[in-house]
Amino acid sequence: EVQLLESGGGLVQPGGSLRLSCAASGFTFSSFAMNWVRQAPGKGLEWVSAISGSDGSTYYADSVKGRFTISRDNSKNTLYLQMNSLRAEDTAVYSCARSGGGYARRLDYWGQGTLVTVSS
Amino acid sequence: QSALTQPASVSGSPGQSITISCTGTSSDVGAYEYVSWYQQHPGKAPKLMLYEVSNRPSGVSNRFSGSKSGNTASLTISGLQAEDEADYYCSSYTRSSTRVFGGGTKLTVL
Repeated sequence: EVQLLESGGGLVQPGGSLRLSCAASGFTFSSFAMNWVRQAPGKGLEWVSAISGSDGSTYYADSVKGRFTISRDNSKNTLYLQMNSLRAEDTAVYSCARSGGGYARRLDYWGQGTLVTVSS
Repeated sequence: QSALTQPASVSGSPGQSITISCTGTSSDVGAYEYVSWYQQHPGKAPKLMLYEVSNRPSGVSNRFSGSKSGNTASLTISGLQAEDEADYYCSSYTRSSTRVFGGGTKLTVL
């Protein structure tokens, strides 16, 4: 059974940093691209970033480019999101999701998410 | 990276059919067949309902179908059931090698 479990969320001040983790199990982690998607309270889904399974290519939404860094440790089956220079508008539930069948095709499994609150 | 355009809400009675549209541009929806649809119940993780415009993952009811014409994709739910009441999001791969979601549509089953 595919499982994705996020952790690392919490309350952080504007300008601060936070690192999120996503522990994956039930599939060959290194074979799949992975994504971070966020959802602000009461709002819709927003794609944040993705990383390929093999060559480590990374992709970012304009809203986080230069502030967030996605990475992965295939030996630990874990996905990360390093978030720096956080802003109030970054407040959201952050979920990891697997790209099934190739990076572009679909997000076929999702975690439940971890809440990040940026506030003074 | 502008969000795809979806109606904010749609509604229908049990047994009826509804369609949710998803309008993008020639740089996303119109560029590829990589449009997917997600269902989200309150407090739950999104669930993949359709991928590559019209393909259903295993376990998804055949009451859900999809299509695309130009820069607009559509999700149709036939034989509406109470359990279909949820938020629905479309998503597309883009020419920038990124992904974009629609703003979401709240489906109410009357």
